[in-house]
Amino acid sequence: EEQLVESGGGLVQPGGSLRLSCAASGFHFSKYAMSWVRQAPGKGLEWVSAISGPATGTYYADSVKGRFTVSRDNSKNTLYLQMNSLRAEDTAVYYCAKDRGFLEWIFDFWGQGTLVTVS
Amino acid sequence: DIQMTQSPSSLSASVGDRVTITCQASQDITNFLNWYKRKPGKAPKLLIYDASILQSGVPSRFSGSGSGTNFTFTVSGLQPEDFATYYCQQYGDLPLTFGGGTKVDI
Repeated sequence: EEQLVESGGGLVQPGGSLRLSCAASGFHFSKYAMSWVRQAPGKGLEWVSAISGPATGTYYADSVKGRFTVSRDNSKNTLYLQMNSLRAEDTAVYYCAKDRGFLEWIFDFWGQGTLVTVS
Repeated sequence: DIQMTQSPSSLSASVGDRVTITCQASQDITNFLNWYKRKPGKAPKLLIYDASILQSGVPSRFSGSGSGTNFTFTVSGLQPEDFATYYCQQYGDLPLTFGGGTKVDI
């Protein structure tokens, strides 16, 4: 059974850093691209970043480019999001999402999310 | 960026109703559109991809149609578990963008 479990969220001051993790199980992790999607309080979903299965390609929303770095360790079946220079507007629940394949941009499984509060 | 205008933002319905949600893209995205369901405290769930293809395991009361810039999502025969918020998402171009969501409640 597929499972994605995010961790690493919490309260951080503006300008601070945080690293999110997403532990995957139940599927061949390295075969699939992965993304981070966030939802700010009272707002809709916002795609943040993506990384290909072999980690040869990374992609970012303009709002986080230069501040966030997505990475993965396929030997540990884990996806990461390093968040630096955090701003109040980064406050959100962060979800990791599994792509249906190699950057098909169709998210067929999501984690439960981890809350990041910048204040 | 491609803007996704989803409407209505909320609607009230009853069990058994037929519900229709629309999503309009600011430019042609052919059929690169997905629909997701999200309930409070739960992970989003993929329902429809490529505008009209039902994800495996999703009940057939859910359907999608459209191409280019105009898309429709329909639930035929609303069930209690369908009261949720629905989002469209385009992947015609990066950055990926979502519609603002439609909250379906009683």
